[in-house]
Amino acid sequence: DSGVTQTPKHLITATGQRVTLRCSPRSGDLSVYWYQQSLDQGLQFLIQYYNGEERAKGNILERFSAQQFPDLHSELNLSSLELGDSALYFCASSATRGAATNEQFFGPGTRLTVL
Amino acid sequence: DQQVKQNSPSLSVQEGRISILNCDYTNSMFDYFLWYKKYPAEGPTFLISISSIKDKNEDGRFTVFLNKSAKHLSLHIVPSQPGDSAVYFCAASAWYSGAGSYQLTFGKGTKLSVIP
Repeated sequence: DSGVTQTPKHLITATGQRVTLRCSPRSGDLSVYWYQQSLDQGLQFLIQYYNGEERAKGNILERFSAQQFPDLHSELNLSSLELGDSALYFCASSATRGAATNEQFFGPGTRLTVL
Repeated sequence: DQQVKQNSPSLSVQEGRISILNCDYTNSMFDYFLWYKKYPAEGPTFLISISSIKDKNEDGRFTVFLNKSAKHLSLHIVPSQPGDSAVYFCAASAWYSGAGSYQLTFGKGTKLSVIP
C-alpha cells in the first residue's frame, strides 16, 4: 500500500460527459502528479501540483483540468469526453516539488471507460 | 517523439534464470533513472534507481546498469522468481526550468513473465 488513494476505481460514462477523479496523497506529501496510461502506452504525464499551486504541465488536453485543495487532495476533471479518453488515470505523490531522485508513490489508478 | 524507449513489450524467462530488461533514451539532459514495477490492478511501485554519475547500482537481486555513451540502461534480475512477473517501467528524470523541478518521463513498459 503506497498510501496514495484514488476514487473511484472504475468509471463508465458516455461521450460528451464530464467526470471528476479524486486523489489523496500520502500523508505529508505536498506534490501531486496526474498520469494517463492508454492502451499500449506508457505513463503520460499530465500535470503536477505542489502545495496547492500548479507546477508543471505535460500532455494535458484543454478539456482536462485539475486542482489541489488546501487539504492537499487533488481532483482531475475531464470534460467533453471522447472515446479516446478511455484509459487508466494514475495519481502519484512525492514529498518534494520535484527533486532529482523524484521517487513518486502511485495510487492504484482509476479506470475510465467512455462508451 | 519518445524520449524513453522500451523496445521489448514482453519477455519470458524461466524461474532461476536471469531477466534482462532494456531501456534506451534520447535526451542527454536526463540525469537520474528509475525503474518501477507494476502488478495488475495496482499502481507502479518504485524498484531501483541510478544516478547518471554511476554505471551500476545493486539492490539484492536487482541491478541496474547505465551506459551513458550509448544512452542505454538495463535492469538485471537474478535469480528471477515467479513473483517478479509484472510490467516494468523505465523512467528518466530531468530538470525542467519552466516548472522549477525535475520531471519524470516514462517508457511504455515491458511485461515480464517468469515461468516456474
